[in-house]
Amino acid sequence: SQQGEEDPQALSIQEGENATMNCSYKTSINNLQWYRQNSGRGLVHLILIRSNEREKHSGRLRVTLDTSKKSSSLLITASRAADTASYFCATDTGRRALTFGSGTRLQVQP
Amino acid sequence: NAGVTQTPKFQVLKTGQSMTLQCAQDMNHEYMSWYRQDPGMGLRLIHYSVGAGITDQGEVPNGYNVSRSTTEDFPLRLLSAAPSQTSVYFCASSYSQGYQETQYFGPGTRLLVL
Repeated sequence: SQQGEEDPQALSIQEGENATMNCSYKTSINNLQWYRQNSGRGLVHLILIRSNEREKHSGRLRVTLDTSKKSSSLLITASRAADTASYFCATDTGRRALTFGSGTRLQVQP
Repeated sequence: NAGVTQTPKFQVLKTGQSMTLQCAQDMNHEYMSWYRQDPGMGLRLIHYSVGAGITDQGEVPNGYNVSRSTTEDFPLRLLSAAPSQTSVYFCASSYSQGYQETQYFGPGTRLLVL
């Protein structure tokens, strides 16, 4: 089974609304990363949060990490149609590689 | 910089054929890796390399070989293609300690095995 699991699997919102995606993982981590994938494209790194950090911001993105609950959330504020994409969390478990979840498909309606 | 490049973009193979997926990066990254992505799923690690001459297996290595003779190139070889290898393949790189740093992804190679 996947180390990271995103929730929900799919999310549809209106432009201007906030979008929240969650990621749960099973084992302890050194860091957690969020990536975005537009349809038919490669993944693009959004943000990295280390295990000793609780919250991180980057533009309209806000990521939180709760290591006690083994979970993270990605909040996109004031969403735009261009934010339509799949979003993946990836965890480092110290095995010299990242493990990706199955992703959340976000649809932002104009 | 071109970043991470992959060729070909799309390939159709017959069962049993072999081929090499090419990956190159011009950022002098030490760490490179190959993932496959199946419909509706995340990425699964096939092989990775922490530097020239050093490779290791990931989560799903069977049926694939890699080598790393230079820092820039990290080809993935399919020895005898099977329909189960139909997927989209992504190459990624990072400066070092790939699991601790931002990964830069190529655009992907779509492979169809008949």
